[in-house]
Amino acid sequence: QSVLTQPPSVSAAPGQKVTISCSGSSSNIGNSYVSWYQHLPGTAPKLLIYDNNKRPSGIPDRFSGSKSGTSATLGITGLQTGDEAVYYCGTGGTSLSAGGVFGGGTKLTVL
Amino acid sequence: QLQLQESGPGLVKPSETLSLTCTVSGGSISSSTHYWGWIRQPPGKGFEWIGSVYYTGGTNYNPSLKSRVTMSVESSKNQFSLKLTSVTAADTAVYYCVRHVRDYDTFTGYLYWYFDLWGRGTLVTVSS
Repeated sequence: QSVLTQPPSVSAAPGQKVTISCSGSSSNIGNSYVSWYQHLPGTAPKLLIYDNNKRPSGIPDRFSGSKSGTSATLGITGLQTGDEAVYYCGTGGTSLSAGGVFGGGTKLTVL
Repeated sequence: QLQLQESGPGLVKPSETLSLTCTVSGGSISSSTHYWGWIRQPPGKGFEWIGSVYYTGGTNYNPSLKSRVTMSVESSKNQFSLKLTSVTAADTAVYYCVRHVRDYDTFTGYLYWYFDLWGRGTLVTVSS
């Protein structure tokens, strides 16, 4: 059972937009910046969003992030078949020494 | 381009020690702005942060695993390592080495906590 709650799956057609939610508490999301990761099986997970809404170099602006209170959202516009992957949210805990937590992952299917 | 590569045995017997090494290529492990860490993913489950180590040797472990975990850095080889003692079947997982950003925003009070580079992962199975 993961600490952060994500929907198990979402789906949408190519070209459409999808959002993935991540719900936590005051002990994690309410206390820290949120990050998002894309994972295709057998490959290295990739950082998509950090500090709630910042994109690393090379990540297209089709990917966006937001946070409100103890929840966060990943948005993907202009869906492509290559976006099919599992998406995870992550954040810190009550302190740096307490460590951080992840969501259980959301499988995105591009129909 | 910085890359991370895990190495180590794919099979460990129950009660023994799991040992993995991560080799950093394309850059130096002696970064003042990053920690180096390990994350695992049991089959069919989500990610679990195991711990992180600074290039000077300072460590930070997941409280739930702290009694069994040791991490270290070998700067001369640009490597860092993980040892997990007294393993059981519950430790079977894909183990990823990562570059970790962890800090405290003194303005907002929020924690910075994310992993900006990952290895491809290595499956470690605990079985007799």
